Amino acid sequence: EAQLVESGGGLVQPGGSLRLSCVASGFNFRRHDMHWVRQRPGKGLEWVSGVSPGGDPHYPDAVKGRFTISRQNAKNSLFLQMNSLSAGDTAVYYCVKEGSYGVWAFDIWGQGTVVTVSP
Amino acid sequence: QSVLTQPPSASGTPGQTVIISCSGSSSNIGVNTVNWYQHLPGTAPQLLMYSNNQRPSGVPDRFSGSKSGTSASLAISGLQSEDEADYYCAAWDDSLNGHWVFGGGTKLSVL
Repeated sequence: EAQLVESGGGLVQPGGSLRLSCVASGFNFRRHDMHWVRQRPGKGLEWVSGVSPGGDPHYPDAVKGRFTISRQNAKNSLFLQMNSLSAGDTAVYYCVKEGSYGVWAFDIWGQGTVVTVSP
Repeated sequence: QSVLTQPPSASGTPGQTVIISCSGSSSNIGVNTVNWYQHLPGTAPQLLMYSNNQRPSGVPDRFSGSKSGTSASLAISGLQSEDEADYYCAAWDDSLNGHWVFGGGTKLSVL
């Protein structure tokens, strides 16, 4: 069974940094695009980054220059380095697998890790 | 403000059919397929529908999706109490070098 487990969330001060990790199991990690999606308190889902199997990153303008997504295929791991954090980055961050073979969608989600940016 | 527009809430009684709409533009729904996600608070979101109208294995056929022009919809027939959840539409947007966009979510209540 495919599974994603996030870690690394926590409380960080404004302007600080945090690195999220995600370990995948139950599928061929190195063959799939992977993403991070967040949900701010009381808000909807928001895509914050994606990375191809070869490591090519992709970001929305809202986080470009502050967030860096990366992966280590040998360890079935996905990362999100978040810098210059502000209160607006407070959210649950989900590690997400993109499907393949015609399933152009986020087909597996982790349980999420909570990031709180506060003084 | 979300790029895709959904009604914030919807409701129905058990057995009824509920339809949730999702409105986009020519850079997202107009040219790309739509996916739907079901999210129960405190749990991981789940893929409910992909490529406009394809159900992943395990999703009951009470759920159906459609797309026309720059809008899409999710229909839930034979409404059940366990369907009470938040529903999100999503699509790839070709603008700004491309990015995934979501709707603001629709909270479905089963009365």
